[in-house]
Amino acid sequence: AQRVTQPEKLLSVFKGAPVELKCNYSYSGSPELFWYVQYSRQRLQLLLRHISRESIKGFTADLNKGETSFHLKKPFAQEEDSAMYYCALKQGAQKLVFGQGTRLTINP
Amino acid sequence: SAVISQKPSRDICQRGTSLTIQCQVDSQVTMMFWYRQQPGQSLTLIATANQGSEATYESGFVIDKFPISRPNLTFSTLTVSNMSPEDSSIYLCSVDESYTGELFFGEGSRLTVL
Repeated sequence: AQRVTQPEKLLSVFKGAPVELKCNYSYSGSPELFWYVQYSRQRLQLLLRHISRESIKGFTADLNKGETSFHLKKPFAQEEDSAMYYCALKQGAQKLVFGQGTRLTINP
Repeated sequence: SAVISQKPSRDICQRGTSLTIQCQVDSQVTMMFWYRQQPGQSLTLIATANQGSEATYESGFVIDKFPISRPNLTFSTLTVSNMSPEDSSIYLCSVDESYTGELFFGEGSRLTVL
């Protein structure tokens, strides 16, 4: 069965420190993966997708098929990065399966 | 990008009653979805709302409990029927404009069942 696992419910780092949010998936086909973010009092929105291989707000994520991972990284955390982050796997033509989410807190 | 409005934003309901949530999009979209987010849990897809035909439900969700309407390409409703406290959740409407997997979400409807 297709599944997305985010092992950390909570993650706290200091401003300026590197941050890595872990995401592992299980999928029999060729995966399409996404990171969504929800800032306080805002709606859920797309942060980045692995296909575009872009950096958004300093965040990057590399798909590692060998390790079935899609970890989200940023070298220097900022306070405005505090949010809820969800890893998601595209299932079939259009459905998304979401991980449990990681609440990231950046301490000043 | 699509702008999605959901109503109500929150409600408190009595056990055994039903509530209908509305989702309005500012543009015509083909793919529209309803998700549920239970307290402390992730988002779970309830169904895909299909325009002009019956919704496609995910495993564990049935039409009698969650009837969905999609009369046109900009509007959908989700009804939570015969509610119990276990239905207390945030219900989210989302759309995929371009089949890319980029979903746009409404702000959610927070439902509390007493």
